[in-house]
Amino acid sequence: DAKTTQPTSMDCAEGRAANLPCNHSTISGNEYVYWYRQIHSQGPQYIIHGLKNNETNEMASLIITEDRKSSTLILPHATLRDTAVYYCIVRVISGGSYIPTFGRGTSLIVHP
Amino acid sequence: EAEVAQSPRYKITEKSQAVAFWCDPISGHATLYWYRQILGQGPELLVQFQDESVVDDSQLPKDRFSAERLKGVDSTLKIQPAELGDSAMYLCASSLGQASYNEQFFGPGTRLTVL
Repeated sequence: DAKTTQPTSMDCAEGRAANLPCNHSTISGNEYVYWYRQIHSQGPQYIIHGLKNNETNEMASLIITEDRKSSTLILPHATLRDTAVYYCIVRVISGGSYIPTFGRGTSLIVHP
Repeated sequence: EAEVAQSPRYKITEKSQAVAFWCDPISGHATLYWYRQILGQGPELLVQFQDESVVDDSQLPKDRFSAERLKGVDSTLKIQPAELGDSAMYLCASSLGQASYNEQFFGPGTRLTVL
């Protein structure tokens, strides 16, 4: 019962923008959308999060649709070091508590 | 920059043995999470603490897994007895609080191999 849906894999040329989509159609009204990435054998690294408005930081931009049912993570100038698995995460209610739920993520390969 | 610490980084054990993992969250972080990540899959939450109290442990196999955070700071996750299917990465994360706007910070993980 996936709470987020992401493409299994994507690829991008170095220096170009990488746009990673995520569907989260069942997100609750006050829950944030989070993006993390994981490089092989390391712990996930926080990238960015947002509620309704688009967000930008030094790593990426996050575009959230007006209905909040989907979002896109944008890496404006992808480098080889951006090759990783990218996870879009929302919290789901379980036993009365909201718990963060990861899907399988998108494996992004940045090629020269 | 403050980080979540985990030890050991790697653990190899035989099935039916007991194993324990330790996590030290970022100072001041009240919420602590233990995740299990099987190769090729995303992390799965096992247990969530708020201070010393368990908030959610619905996915924790309680017949063999236990977790504690006695003083509300560091935490230990134990498996007894270990089974072959427990081979995975065990990740610890912490956040300032439970609110949705508090991002989690992850440690480097403990890679467990059960033989």
